[in-house]
Amino acid sequence: DAKTTQPPSMDCAEGRAANLPCNHSTISGNEYVYWYRQIHSQGPQYIIHGLKNNETNEMASLIITEDRKSSTLILPHATLRDTAVYYCIVRVGYSSASKIIFGSGTRLSIRP
Amino acid sequence: GAVVSQHPSWVICKSGTSVKIECRSLDFQATTMFWYRQFPKQSLMLMATSNEGSKATYEQGVEKDKFLINHASLTLSTLTVTSAHPEDSSFYICSAKAGYNEKLFFGSGTQLSVL
Repeated sequence: DAKTTQPPSMDCAEGRAANLPCNHSTISGNEYVYWYRQIHSQGPQYIIHGLKNNETNEMASLIITEDRKSSTLILPHATLRDTAVYYCIVRVGYSSASKIIFGSGTRLSIRP
Repeated sequence: GAVVSQHPSWVICKSGTSVKIECRSLDFQATTMFWYRQFPKQSLMLMATSNEGSKATYEQGVEKDKFLINHASLTLSTLTVTSAHPEDSSFYICSAKAGYNEKLFFGSGTQLSVL
């Protein structure tokens, strides 16, 4: 599975959009980009995933560059409850046995 | 959405005893489950891949005789920490993939404290 690179920490004002970048320059054509977040002492929570098109759901938007070497997770209106560590992962989506390797993630702090 | 249930949420045990952690997929069948360990302020580290009806595949550096994994059915995988020692104290998390889509789901984790 391809490796991802994320900034170790970011902060954002409450109510503003939080944009979290992720580099995955070695991503393969059949690998999806997944985003998860982990709030302290809990299991990771699924946010969104995509292959090459931009995606949006009730939690966030995922913007994937045309060359698929990087992506951005957007939380449109950050709240204090969005404070968490955010992980960007790439893996083969349809393969149940494909490993999920976590990088160090981005610790997002939302300030009031 | 699919749910992965992990039990217990926390456990305290004496050094030398064994502890079993269960991971269940509640509304889907999971042929493969993954087990992770997480130390404070660190990322999740993949320990092993659990395959239904066959032996687990362990990551390099993980002792298979110490961390016994059993995946006896399509909805249950167990991790047994044998002869636990204080250095095994950690947050253990399982995950599984629902076969009908590409999403991955995680349990809520088990905090193990070995005295």
